[in-house]
Amino acid sequence: QVQLQESGPGLVKPSETLSLTCTVSGGSVSSGSYYWSWIRQPLGKGLEWIGYIYYSGSTNYNPSLKSRVTMSVDTSNNQFSLRLSSVTAADTAVYYCARTTTGTADFDYWGQGTLVTVSS
Amino acid sequence: QTVVTQEPSFSVSPGGTVTLTCGLTSGSVSKSYYPSWYQQTPGRAPRTLIYNTNTRSSGVPDRFSGSILGNKAALTITGAQADDESDYYCVLYMGSGIWVFGGGTKLIVL
Repeated sequence: QVQLQESGPGLVKPSETLSLTCTVSGGSVSSGSYYWSWIRQPLGKGLEWIGYIYYSGSTNYNPSLKSRVTMSVDTSNNQFSLRLSSVTAADTAVYYCARTTTGTADFDYWGQGTLVTVSS
Repeated sequence: QTVVTQEPSFSVSPGGTVTLTCGLTSGSVSKSYYPSWYQQTPGRAPRTLIYNTNTRSSGVPDRFSGSILGNKAALTITGAQADDESDYYCVLYMGSGIWVFGGGTKLIVL
């Protein structure tokens, strides 16, 4: 059974960089059949796709966040990561990592989510 | 910028049938958008219900079905149950490696 687990600071100061890591178990980030995505959800609001990374390191980001987002993959530790720079209170949200199937373009496995609050 | 639209809320009686839709502010949804549907209850991660327009995810009851209705993707729940009361999200693959979620529909079963 594939499992994903987000980790990282729950509190980030405004203008600083949010950093999260997703650890994958029961599957491999090196598989060519999947993208590895980040999705966020402000409290009480809807889901927003942030972007994905492929095992090769290729990425694609939501155009609205592209200037602030960087994703990376660590195949040796079966992890992938998100960095979001220059955060503001509007970036306060639950952040999910998810596996994305390349063939059917769906998010088939999700992490439990981690709340990141931007506040001084 | 194209927006993915969903009904903000919907109500259904227990045992009833409800169809939630997923559209575009510009254009029609087709299978080439690979519409998928997710169910989310408070405090939980989304759960995949339907992918690739009409394929049920493993373990999803057959009272959930997906389709294209007119110019929208649709999720139909037949024989609604109390524990179907949740938020439902669709997401569309827009091409060029971009996904866009709809705003979600809050389904009330009463």
